[in-house]
Amino acid sequence: EPEVTQTPSHQVTQMGQEVILRCVPISNHLYFYWYRQILGQKVEFLVSFYNNEISEKSEIFDDQFSVERPDGSNFTLKIRSTKLEDSAMYFCASRKTSGNAYDEQFFGPGTRLTVL
Amino acid sequence: AQTVTQSQPEMSVQEAETVTLSCTYDTSESDYYLFWYKQPPSRQMILVIRQEAYKQQNATENRFSVNFQKAAKSFSLKISDSQLGDAAMYFCAYLTGTASKLTFGTGTRLQVTL
Repeated sequence: EPEVTQTPSHQVTQMGQEVILRCVPISNHLYFYWYRQILGQKVEFLVSFYNNEISEKSEIFDDQFSVERPDGSNFTLKIRSTKLEDSAMYFCASRKTSGNAYDEQFFGPGTRLTVL
Repeated sequence: AQTVTQSQPEMSVQEAETVTLSCTYDTSESDYYLFWYKQPPSRQMILVIRQEAYKQQNATENRFSVNFQKAAKSFSLKISDSQLGDAAMYFCAYLTGTASKLTFGTGTRLQVTL
């Protein structure tokens, strides 16, 4: 069964460093998402991406964040200068489109980012 | 802004028994969708069940069913014949037809005991 994959599973970085989190969405999906979950808190929407551009972003998704689909398969989240408060689990999700936002979003296993 | 509230941080159920997890939401939209996601210790989010707001009939998926009360903006999840594998964090989520982002509640941790 097709699934969303994410690498790495755990990333440790120093404050101020740049990190890139990678996701491979399901191959026939066209909408892509990043969510994050700070330990013990709820899952929060960061950004949605469609047709090679951002569809929507939250207030969390400031200038330090960027997303890219560099080739036909990967979808990346870059944090330019990490802060301690960026420590969280980052989930990638994708969905196919039938013109209905109700279609299921399939989630990856997450990348745990630890900023020291 | 849409909000989703789960008032039960933790619940416990005995194996084979039934448990109900509560969820309420606030929205001014008329067209929206509701979901329950399960997050086991592996942390991957798995869709359990979904409900379209325009449908009056409550959704059912095997042992999982919902009680959708649109006027009360309530969307509870009932798990029948609970199994050890049901132990997880359960998140209620909301999605409007005009946007595709999911808004999650704070979650309910479900323990299943022997």
